[in-house]
Amino acid sequence: GAVVSQHPSRVICKSGTSVKIECRSLDFQATTMFWYRQFPKQSLMLMATSNEGSKATYEQGVEKDKFLINHASLTLSTLTVTSAHPEDSSFYICSARDGNRPLMNTEAFFGQGTRLTVV
Amino acid sequence: AQKITQTQPGMFVQEKEAVTLDCTYDTSDQSYGLFWYKQPSSGEMIFLIYQGSYDEQNATEGRYSLNFQKARKSANLVISASQLGDSAMYFCAMREGRTGNTPLVFGKGTRLSVIA
Repeated sequence: GAVVSQHPSRVICKSGTSVKIECRSLDFQATTMFWYRQFPKQSLMLMATSNEGSKATYEQGVEKDKFLINHASLTLSTLTVTSAHPEDSSFYICSARDGNRPLMNTEAFFGQGTRLTVV
Repeated sequence: AQKITQTQPGMFVQEKEAVTLDCTYDTSDQSYGLFWYKQPSSGEMIFLIYQGSYDEQNATEGRYSLNFQKARKSANLVISASQLGDSAMYFCAMREGRTGNTPLVFGKGTRLSVIA
């Protein structure tokens, strides 16, 4: 199956610093990428939808100035958590859609996830 | 209102037995897709099975089958011959609309524990 690579898998940062998370589609063109956040023992909640070459669409309650999303190419989307605080500690995971396979019956391919801890 | 409801926070099953994980959904779209994912402790999301709203047959993938009851808006996952490695969180998800460019909406998940 298609591969989505997410990096880093774990990161610990100091409060007030920024952290960048990368999501790459390795063998397909990802015209759309989705960023989710998962708090411990909870479900995945959509943060934003990222389309290549255009501004991301954020879900209600997600601060776009805090969670900067860039999708500059068909294979790379980045999520930058700016001025991180301990409450931003969470599991962040991306998924990518294969632009050449737009049919409904194709699963979203997920990255491995990034566990962010802000101290 | 919840779009995906998983009413079982946790389930136990004996090794080699079958287990059913419940999922009900809510949508007014005629075209939608239902997915099940497995999430082990590592956090990765492993795709298990897909059911389209227009599919007349229940989906099957190896030991996984989906019991799709459209009128009841349920899409239960059945795992046959459980293995210790099946212990994980299981999420039911739905994608609405005709294209694949809409995000998945997830249920709260069910933690499955397989007992030897």
